[in-house]
Parts: sequence; C-alpha cells; structure tokens
Amino acid sequence: EAGVAQSPRYKIIEKRQSVAFWCNPISGHATLYWYQQILGQGPKLLIQFQNNGVVDDSQLPKDRFSAERLKGVDSTLKIQPAKLEDSAVYLCASRSSREITGELFFGEGSRLTVL
Amino acid sequence: KQEVTQIPAALSVPEGENLVLNCSFTDSAIYNLQWFRQDPGKGLTSLLLIQSSQREQTSGRLNASLDKSSGRSTLYIAASQPGDSATYLCAALGDRDDKIIFGKGTRLHILP
Repeated sequence: EAGVAQSPRYKIIEKRQSVAFWCNPISGHATLYWYQQILGQGPKLLIQFQNNGVVDDSQLPKDRFSAERLKGVDSTLKIQPAKLEDSAVYLCASRSSREITGELFFGEGSRLTVL
Repeated sequence: KQEVTQIPAALSVPEGENLVLNCSFTDSAIYNLQWFRQDPGKGLTSLLLIQSSQREQTSGRLNASLDKSSGRSTLYIAASQPGDSATYLCAALGDRDDKIIFGKGTRLHILP
C-alpha cells in the first residue's frame, strides 16, 4: 500500500514570495490534515478536510495561507506572501475511517525555509 | 478543549535500560491514542495505536498502555538501543469530533 506522498521535500524562498505544497493521501482515506511543525515543537493543525469539505481551519492564517482539496483526493497548501516565521515543516496526514482503525498516517513532510 | 502533555521533554538513558515515556490528556472522551516516532528531518512514523476500548498494545520491544479514567498513556521501551534515539509523540483522536491533538514530544537519546 502506497503511503502519503508530499512534494516538494525542501523549498527555500525569500519573504513575500509564494510557495505551494502538494499532498496525495493514502487511497480511500477521506480525512486529510495539514500540520505545521516548527523545530522542537509538536505538530500544529492548520486545516482538516473530510472528502473535499473543510472540517476545521480555525488555526489557518487565512490572510496568507490557503488550502484546497479538489475532488476529495489530492490537496494543495499555499502560502502567499511568506513571512520569516513560516519557516517550518509542513506535514500532510490522512486517516483511515473510524470503522476501520482511525489510524493516522503521515507523509515525509515539506521543509520550508523563508529567508 | 483537549490538551495533551508529554513528560519529560527530553530523556537520556544508557543502552540496554528499560524506559517509560508518559502522555497525559485532559479530556477522557477519546476514540484512540496513537504513538509516533520522529527522526530528525523526517515525518512521523506510527508505532502503536490503542483504541479507547483497549488497555494496551504491543509491538516487539514496545508496549503502550491506556488508562482513560486517569487520562494517561505510557510507552514502554524494553532493552533500549541507540537506534531508538528519536522524538516520540502521542496524539489523541477525539470521540465526539475528528480533532487529533498532539503532545510536544519527548526527545529520547540512548547512550551507547
């Protein structure tokens, strides 16, 4: 079974530039999460999708961050314009349904450095 | 609002020792609790998943327990090895919603 795929793995940009991250979840997983992880901290939820609908985006800085999950499969997270404090690893995760195990699976992450 | 705490934040132990990592949560209404391992620069790898109806799960040298009534979970690592050095995180999935709340992790260093 293929895992959660993310790209790019690394990205370096200057502040005020834009960046986009892509995630392909495990096949059949309806729930998809984007997390931000700053060095030395636990993951912080940015947005949660159920199929192609947003369940929770309360911690997403909507003035600069946007995310979509067209057709309920792949998802894209965009930052525009980037700030220095956006330097972090952006983790995508998908979860099996509760009827199975509800287990969460992560991709390798996309490391963003904003200069 | 669910809060998940992991103590200690960092731990160094000699190779071969058994050790326990702690995870506590404030809301006992959880569907499951999952333990992850994270190596530097990598994503999170699932180690063990405990459903709310279970008391413990085992995988090799790892054993995770869950006590919902006291809001605690522990991850026991037997006969530690240098390769066990990593950050260990726990995460709780809410019973009434789909929120998954993470602890900040315990950074484990096994001394050769």
